[in-house]
Amino acid sequence: SQQGEEDPQALSIQEGENATMNCSYKTSINNLQWYRQNSGRGLVHLILIRSNEREKHSGRLRVTLDTSKKSSSLLITASRAADTASYFCAPKADRGSTLGRLYFGRGTQLTVWP
Amino acid sequence: DADVTQTPRNRITKTGKRIMLECSQTKGHDRMYWYRQDPGLGLRLIYYSFDVKDINKGEISDGYSVSRQAQAKFSLSLESAIPNQTALYFCATSETVDEQFFGPGTRLTVL
Repeated sequence: SQQGEEDPQALSIQEGENATMNCSYKTSINNLQWYRQNSGRGLVHLILIRSNEREKHSGRLRVTLDTSKKSSSLLITASRAADTASYFCAPKADRGSTLGRLYFGRGTQLTVWP
Repeated sequence: DADVTQTPRNRITKTGKRIMLECSQTKGHDRMYWYRQDPGLGLRLIYYSFDVKDINKGEISDGYSVSRQAQAKFSLSLESAIPNQTALYFCATSETVDEQFFGPGTRLTVL
């Protein structure tokens, strides 16, 4: 399968705590993207990390990528109730007929309690 | 105005009816996609188009067809709707292989 698999499926934390979500994939990638989806709404792109990068930051988000382990993690620091959403990783294959397509996993449902 | 719009936003229909979902974008992107989302299954790709003359099947194209009328418009049709096509449908666009921009979704219920 070329899709990412997020872990855990569900995560529940208190405001102010950090949230860490993991993604594993099986194919060789060009980049890996993380998206957020608020309940019933369209996905919103959060951050993209390329295969030659190991870490990237954007505001309270920190993404790491380990291509040798085919895994990525998304860390949200100092979580807020507004961060409650589903988070999806999407590895982007770098070869073959699937070039250009993203494969979304089932997501991690994050709940941040006030 | 939103960059990617979908119509209708909600639709209830009956088994056997033909349904068309429409997607329009103002981002000037060549690439457009149709996904469906079912609870607990994430997003699955139905069809995608990398330019006006290019149409490709995704993972779950059976029972669906698409039309790329222009760079800005990509329609999804259900020729004869069935209950297991009840789902949330999303259109997305992208300029390259990178970031995709999603529409607000169409909630389709087939009775």
